Amino acid sequence: DAGITQSPRHKVTETGTPVTLRCHQTENHRYMYWYRQDPGHGLRLIHYSYGVKDTDKGEVSDGYSVSRSKTEDFLLTLESATSSQTSVYFCAISESIGGGGAAFFGQGTRLTVV
Amino acid sequence: KQEVTQIPAALSVPEGENLVLNCSFTDSAIYNLQWFRQDPGKGLTSLLLIQSSQREQTSGRLNASLDKSSGRSTLYIAASQPGDSATYLCAAPDSWGKLQFGAGTQVVVTP
Repeated sequence: DAGITQSPRHKVTETGTPVTLRCHQTENHRYMYWYRQDPGHGLRLIHYSYGVKDTDKGEVSDGYSVSRSKTEDFLLTLESATSSQTSVYFCAISESIGGGGAAFFGQGTRLTVV
Repeated sequence: KQEVTQIPAALSVPEGENLVLNCSFTDSAIYNLQWFRQDPGKGLTSLLLIQSSQREQTSGRLNASLDKSSGRSTLYIAASQPGDSATYLCAAPDSWGKLQFGAGTQVVVTP
């Protein structure tokens, strides 16, 4: 299994509070991604990173920010959590793009906003 | 934008029967196609990756085919077992590796 660790694995937070999810990889892969998975919507991309300090928005980026100060860590922050952000969040990594490499996923973080 | 579809949404087969899972995509200029397995409450496990230049990829009882001209990939699981019960997802990346997923096929293999 690819070395991807997400933390925390479960979190319950109150509406309006900031929340940070962490993705840590030991594979030294350049590309990292945050997805959320919701019933009826499947997996959707939130943000992605193509290198240290290089990030861009995905399909559902509103209300989220990311940071990548080191190759191995990719942080997802909910600035002010809302109930609509209750979801399961997955981090993924890829060694290369343009058809080269497979994507590997972490075990997910189940976030509940009450 | 690439769109990925998986039909049926759910499938139930008796143990020992071969499984055939379908994945359709709209843009034939595909980089690769990846199949994943997801167990309830778990992450996604990569099963097979088929490069654009390949027609098939095999791993044990799993075989995946890719037909770019028809916009289809098929995952075959031979001699299914109850442990194969899971949701199977296919996904295609764009030029930045951002994956577009199908909605998945939920498989139940009954003993």
